[in-house]
Amino acid sequence: GAVVSQHPSWVICKSGTSVKIECRSLDFQATTMFWYRQFPKQSLMLMATSNEGSKATYEQGVEKDKFLINHASLTLSTLTVTSAHPEDSSFYICSAQTGYQPQHFGDGTRLSIL
Amino acid sequence: GESVGLHLPTLSVQEGDNSIINCAYSNSASDYFIWYKQESGKGPQFIIDIRSNMDKRQGQRVTVLLNKTVKHLSLQIAATQPGDSAVYFCAEKRAGANSKLTFGKGITLSVRP
Repeated sequence: GAVVSQHPSWVICKSGTSVKIECRSLDFQATTMFWYRQFPKQSLMLMATSNEGSKATYEQGVEKDKFLINHASLTLSTLTVTSAHPEDSSFYICSAQTGYQPQHFGDGTRLSIL
Repeated sequence: GESVGLHLPTLSVQEGDNSIINCAYSNSASDYFIWYKQESGKGPQFIIDIRSNMDKRQGQRVTVLLNKTVKHLSLQIAATQPGDSAVYFCAEKRAGANSKLTFGKGITLSVRP
């Protein structure tokens, strides 16, 4: 149980393009979803926390207009990287949680901006 | 600011030996701790957790120890196998259902055949 699916797993696109990443909890309802960014050989950095039906809470230094988060249902959250540039290239990981249960993570999306 | 950190960046062990991965945390308000395993190109995988009212918890081949006095957390893996090779992260959070996780820097476990 507690499976989180993330799609796509890998995307390459041109600079200036907007990219949408989906995160789905497959076998449970997630009251909260989290979005992380991870650079090579580094730890996970929380970008934002998203509760279903509410606006996401962004961490300090994360541009909300750059990284749009939508959490329209208890099983789906999306992250849209708008007007992506090479410096946005990274490994983006979502997690989902319900109540006091541990966060369960998706397998990440490797984003490469040319 | 508060942080969660690991003592060593890499750990190399012989297959079949026991592994011990250590983690120091500095936030005394943390009451929940988790160990995650991350394989290359994948997301973190939950291994085991422990709450602050406990000092030891055992799973299958894994044991987590918590020493609140010195703010230290460790993960013990018995009979380490090649499939255990990965990056291990400790993470902590404060009380509250949706409080955020703070991850440590990660340590690479390499298992020698």
